Amino acid sequence: QVQLVESGGGVVQPGRSLRLSCAASGFSFSGHGMHWVRQAPGKGLQWVAIIWYDGSQKYYSDSVKGRFTVSRDNSNNTLYLQLSSLTAEDTAVYYCARDMKGRLTFDVWGQGTMVTVSS
Amino acid sequence: QSALTQPPSASGSPGQSVTISCTGTSSDVGGYNYVSWYQHHPGKAPKLMIYEVSKRPSGVPDRFSGSKSGNTASLTVSGLQAEDEADYYCSSNVGANNWVFGGGTKLTVL
Repeated sequence: QVQLVESGGGVVQPGRSLRLSCAASGFSFSGHGMHWVRQAPGKGLQWVAIIWYDGSQKYYSDSVKGRFTVSRDNSNNTLYLQLSSLTAEDTAVYYCARDMKGRLTFDVWGQGTMVTVSS
Repeated sequence: QSALTQPPSASGSPGQSVTISCTGTSSDVGGYNYVSWYQHHPGKAPKLMIYEVSKRPSGVPDRFSGSKSGNTASLTVSGLQAEDEADYYCSSNVGANNWVFGGGTKLTVL
């Protein structure tokens, strides 16, 4: 079945870096744009980044621009998010989500991976 | 871009209907017909329930419906069932590869 599984979360010190992964299965990964969305504790969802199906275009929210980098490996059906210069405000559950073609929405989500930024 | 405004909580008894609002501005909800709704049981993957204001993905019961008037979108759940108890989030595309979400509404089935 269609599935997204995130990994790579954990506890990291402020200013350090972390890489998240999202393994996709059950669909044509290379045919879909992919997103990262996060949810800070007790807060709502926040869109983080999108990467087009072929990796040619990448866009970020203002809050992470210049610090986070989204990438993908279509040969291994895997999405990545490199988090750098982390602050406490980046503490959140990070979800990967599939872009629903032409509909500007997120039609498949993973269960998320928790990132805690703390000294 | 500011988050969309949702009531923090909503409730209803089994069989009843409940409507959750999502208020934005003319730069998001009011300006685009790309409003979506997601159901989220904590610890699970969020699930798309409504897209493009009122369309249901395959497999979503027709008890769930969406609408929009001006800068406010709404999700209505009819014939409430125990399994509908969850957090619900709205989102809107705001153009140029950018999206904004609501703060979420906790739906309680009494």
